[in-house]
Amino acid sequence: AQSVTQPDIHITVSEGASLELRCNYSYGATPYLFWYVQSPGQGLQLLLKYFSGDTLVQGIKGFEAEFKRSQSSFNLRKPSVHWSDAAEYFCAVGPYNTDKLIFGTGTRLQVFP
Amino acid sequence: DAGVTQSPTHLIKTRGQHVTLRCSPISGHKSVSWYQQVLGQGPQFIFQYYEKEERGRGNFPDRFSARQFPNYSSELNVNALLLGDSALYLCASSSGQGARYEQYFGPGTRLTVT
Repeated sequence: AQSVTQPDIHITVSEGASLELRCNYSYGATPYLFWYVQSPGQGLQLLLKYFSGDTLVQGIKGFEAEFKRSQSSFNLRKPSVHWSDAAEYFCAVGPYNTDKLIFGTGTRLQVFP
Repeated sequence: DAGVTQSPTHLIKTRGQHVTLRCSPISGHKSVSWYQQVLGQGPQFIFQYYEKEERGRGNFPDRFSARQFPNYSSELNVNALLLGDSALYLCASSSGQGARYEQYFGPGTRLTVT
């Protein structure tokens, strides 16, 4: 079965600290992988995506993610977190031929000054 | 350009009632997808419409239905509302069908069933 696991429900970091949000997936074929961010009262915004090629993907707002096939992981990283990064982050996987995305349960990021 | 718009923003309904949620995609986008996001969970796929045809359906009961109009706007209908239908309903649009086309999400409609 296709699924996405985000093991960390809630993460708290200090502003300026580095960040890594974990994502593991289960998918039969080569996955298309995504990270989205959702701020309170907002819809989802795409941070980055991986389809193929270079396994280190750069996204918006200084985020990057690394695809590791052997570990079925697609972890999101940022070297220095800003207070405005506080939000809910969702990892998702999808097939190439439909718009159906399977989302994880999300990780809530809290940033302390 | 305007993003994806959804109406209404908030809605309160009683169990057993019917509800219609509306979505206007970004201009030029022909694909619309609907997701349900229950509090504390990730979004769950309900439907995808592309060029006015249903192209995907998630694991939701027949009480949920949708359609896409000639102008590519879309409606999600839910009949016989249950308390468990309380959620944020998200609409997303994209310019084509498939994961390589970025999905742009609207702000959602918050449905509360009492």
